Amino acid sequence: GNSVTQMEGPVTLSEEAFLTINCTYTATGYPSLFWYVQYPGEGLQLLLKATKADDKGSNKGFEATYRKETTSFHLEKGSVQVSDSAVYFCALSDKGSARQLTFGSGTQLTVLP
Amino acid sequence: DTGVSQDPRHKITKRGQNVTFRCDPISEHNRLYWYRQTLGQGPEFLTYFQNEAQLEKSRLLSDRFSAERPKGSFSTLEIQRTEQGDSAMYLCASSLGQGGLNEQFFGPGTRLTVL
Repeated sequence: GNSVTQMEGPVTLSEEAFLTINCTYTATGYPSLFWYVQYPGEGLQLLLKATKADDKGSNKGFEATYRKETTSFHLEKGSVQVSDSAVYFCALSDKGSARQLTFGSGTQLTVLP
Repeated sequence: DTGVSQDPRHKITKRGQNVTFRCDPISEHNRLYWYRQTLGQGPEFLTYFQNEAQLEKSRLLSDRFSAERPKGSFSTLEIQRTEQGDSAMYLCASSLGQGGLNEQFFGPGTRLTVL
């Protein structure tokens, strides 16, 4: 079956530091890949997405590239802000009829001023 | 468009009681999903509707769980004879279901605590 493995947290960084959160996946076929973010007290929000190999998703300074050869979709940001403190979830959606999301366990990020 | 809404936001119940949650999806979305999220974990898929038809159910959805979407708009998730292991955040998501991406939009969730 499908699965997503995320870098374990929590991750604590200083403001303006470089962020990488690793994500690898196992899936049959060629899934779509997502990063969702959950800010404190709020619901899950889609951060970025990629639908095929070598696609780069980007939003709010965050980037992730769909790497088929390494089955990875690592999240990066060049300079984090305090407001980026949240839980980040990597997820995949296969091409079956339901297209339900399979999530990783989440990575808690805390950015200190 | 006010997004996906869920009611109630919090529910505390005693073991053995029945509970029902409601989800109102984005109005034009024909797909609706229920997920469960326990502390420190990512959401896990429970079930999926396309319009009013329940097309897929996870093995996580035991016989005590039932979901409906009677008119293809709002959905309800009922848990009968609740157990402490049912304590979790129950998330609803909806999508337009067109094209290849099927971007899902999530509601704020209903947090269930079973005492």
